[in-house]
Amino acid sequence: EAQVTQNPRYLITVTGKKLTVTCSQNMNHEYMSWYRQDPGLGLRQIYYSMNVEVTDKGDVPEGYKVSRKEKRNFPLILESPSPNQTSLYFCASSLSSGGYVYGYTFGSGTRLTVV
Amino acid sequence: DQQVKQNSPSLSVQEGRISILNCDYTNSMFDYFLWYKKYPAEGPTFLISISSIKDKNEDGRFTVFLNKSAKHLSLHIVPSQPGDSAVYFCAASASGAGSYQLTFGKGTKLSVIP
Repeated sequence: EAQVTQNPRYLITVTGKKLTVTCSQNMNHEYMSWYRQDPGLGLRQIYYSMNVEVTDKGDVPEGYKVSRKEKRNFPLILESPSPNQTSLYFCASSLSSGGYVYGYTFGSGTRLTVV
Repeated sequence: DQQVKQNSPSLSVQEGRISILNCDYTNSMFDYFLWYKKYPAEGPTFLISISSIKDKNEDGRFTVFLNKSAKHLSLHIVPSQPGDSAVYFCAASASGAGSYQLTFGKGTKLSVIP
């Protein structure tokens, strides 16, 4: 089954304790991205990657890191989490061609709480 | 500055009636538009899209209309069903090198009342 898999689904952590949210896709998509969803703010892009070893900042990259060492994996790293990073996070992947990103496939989400 | 705007946070519609969800955009470079549907505790799922070379795209009960001069698109759901109750996100993309991004609106929560 074609899918984007995020882990964990739920995570409660303390301020300053480094964490990684994993994301993996099995569709051989070039493009992957991380979004956060907050009430009243919709979906905001954190980072994206056009292919292996190619990453770039989205709209809200502060406090996050990413890496793309393999095509299928795109982990999101919070080196020193803070309470304002409490949010619902989505990983997404897509084929990309000719400048278009065609219909993202999203993961099921990771609910992160930083206390 | 928000480039994709969904000005109605919520919408309630009676079952069997038409639901119309609206979306406005400000970036004239956007030329591909998508609608996503999101249920609680799930990721958004792709619903329907439209390229700027068209003004209408239909898929079953779902139709998206694009008015480029007004920078406006709308999603029509006919007839609305209780299972359509979800948050709907409008998204836009611009073609061209380096434009590998979707910009999302804040979403509209649709409630279909049985």
